[in-house]
Amino acid sequence: EPEVTQTPSHQVTQMGQEVILRCVPISNHLYFYWYRQILGQKVEFLVSFYNNEISEKSEIFDDQFSVERPDGSNFTLKIRSTKLEDSAMYFCASSVGQHVHQPQHFGDGTRLSIL
Amino acid sequence: AQKITQTQPGMFVQEKEAVTLDCTYDTSDQSYGLFWYKQPSSGEMIFLIYQGSYDEQNATEGRYSLNFQKARKSANLVISASQLGDSAMYFCAMRDGSGGYQKVTFGTGTKLQVIP
Repeated sequence: EPEVTQTPSHQVTQMGQEVILRCVPISNHLYFYWYRQILGQKVEFLVSFYNNEISEKSEIFDDQFSVERPDGSNFTLKIRSTKLEDSAMYFCASSVGQHVHQPQHFGDGTRLSIL
Repeated sequence: AQKITQTQPGMFVQEKEAVTLDCTYDTSDQSYGLFWYKQPSSGEMIFLIYQGSYDEQNATEGRYSLNFQKARKSANLVISASQLGDSAMYFCAMRDGSGGYQKVTFGTGTKLQVIP
């Protein structure tokens, strides 16, 4: 069964550094998402992406964050000048469409640790 | 107001027994989707089951079923014949049109522990 893949599974970065989290969505999916889960807390929406542009973003997704689809398969989340509070599990997800009845399929996540 | 409420932070169930995980939701939309995800201790988020707001029958997927009570705005997950591998966090989630159609809103989760 096709799945969303994320790399790396765990990233350790010094505070202030830039980090890029990578995702390969399911091949026939058109909508892509990033979510964040701080340890022990619920999953929070960051951003959605369609047709090479951001379609929706949360208040968490400020200028520190950016997303890109550099080629036909990858979808990346860049975090500039990382802070301690950016430590979290980051999930990429994809869906066939934006209809409310279409589930989003999640990757296994990247655990980001900021030191 | 919380859009998704899971009132059980933790649950225990005996192996081979059935367990119900509660979820209530809040939306003014007529069209919405309800989802359950499983998160094992390894961290991945696994899609389990989906219920549409217009579906008249409760969704079922193997040992998972969703007890959908629209008037009460509840969408409880029932796991039958629990297995040790069912021990995990379970998240109820919703996708509706308020605030945009793109995001899934998650509840705080229920940690299920299956006892041998």
